[in-house]
Formats: sequence, C-alpha cells, structure tokens
Amino acid sequence: GAGVSQSPRYKVAKRGQDVALRCDPISGHVSLFWYQQALGQGPEFLTYFQNEAQLDKSGLPSDRFFAERPEGSVSTLKIQRTQQEDSAVYLCASSLEVRLSYNEQFFGPGTRLTVL
Amino acid sequence: DQQVKQNSPSLSVQEGRISILNCDYTNSMFDYFLWYKKYPAEGPTFLISISSIKDKNEDGRFTVFLNKSAKHLSLHIVPSQPGDSAVYFCAASPKGLADKLIFGTGTRLQVFP
Repeated sequence: GAGVSQSPRYKVAKRGQDVALRCDPISGHVSLFWYQQALGQGPEFLTYFQNEAQLDKSGLPSDRFFAERPEGSVSTLKIQRTQQEDSAVYLCASSLEVRLSYNEQFFGPGTRLTVL
Repeated sequence: DQQVKQNSPSLSVQEGRISILNCDYTNSMFDYFLWYKKYPAEGPTFLISISSIKDKNEDGRFTVFLNKSAKHLSLHIVPSQPGDSAVYFCAASPKGLADKLIFGTGTRLQVFP
C-alpha cells in the first residue's frame, strides 16, 4: 500500500503562530516516530508512540511541542508560539515494531517548517 | 554531544569504483546500526543494517562493516552508480530501546561518470 504521508509538505509561519503537522503512517504499523532535522544535520528523535500510547517524549525540545495519536493511527505534532529556531524539516516514521527488537522505520517525505 | 559522527560531509567517486562511507560512535550501548539513504525532498529510506553481534553484512552492492573495538562502521558500495548519488546517514539504536534512532550528520555522495 501507500507509504508514510505527511501534510503539509511546506509550512511558513510567523513567529508566535501555532502550527499543526500531520502524519499518516503505513496502515497496520504499530509504532510511530517524530524526528526534527535542522539544516545540515541528521534527524533528531523527538517522540515515539506505540499505538495511542506516547512511550517516549524525551526528545521534545520544550513544552511548546506536543504530539498526539489519539486513535493509534494518524498523529499530529503541534508547535505552539513558534520561534525561528523551530525552523526545520519534521520527519515522521512508522514501523511494525515490537519493543526490544528492531524493525525497519519507514519515513515520510517530511514537512519543511519555516518560521519568519 | 554527538554520539554518532560522520566526519566527511561529502565524497566524490567515479562510476564503477568503490565508495566507502565512514561512521564513528561513542556509546557502547548501541546494539544495532543502520544506513539510510536520502534524496532531496524525500524522507530517508533504509539501505542496510547490522547487529552488534556481527562484523559484516552484505546485500548486493552494499556491505556494512562493524568494528566494535574501534566503535567504527563503514558502508561500501561497489560498483558505484550515478543513481547512488544521495546523502547517506549512519544511525544507531540503543540496546533495549528499539524505539529510538540516533543519526549522524550525513555524507553527501556524488558518483560521476
């Protein structure tokens, strides 16, 4: 079936504005991940869901960042009061993963957020 | 602190020759290592992986080598093809925490005719 999809692909926000980024994982994938990729850097882990449970949010940079996956499928990453340093590509990935064993993560194309 | 390091930001190789991409890590708790390939405006795609209990894994033109004592891994592509031109990321997964990937900063490979 279809891969991981993300919307919007590009988002321009004024500083202080709230934004919501959406991720549609591969159907049937239990685990969902959010990563932040700054320019010239590798992706950095933000948070991880297993079904609807957020099991790890240690990578969220501040309390302005919030992620949810209420029905265990689609996920939304929300950033409140955006700052210029939030400008990055936000990547979503999903996998069939069972905890404590590794399963391949499939990445979406990302949402490029630019905060002016 | 950068736990996974790719010290070469770019590499240029002639078509048909071998490409060698390197990666160093600092955390001895990593037990699974992966290489991802990324084209512009696309998400990373999985290429090849290796468990810490092995020192080599091969898949077609791609081979990953792991040297645990040196905390070093490398990706060999042979023969290199123009379609291999992309950014390659090394990533590691901590032992018992299969939920998290720690990525390096990437190496841009250009394969020229």
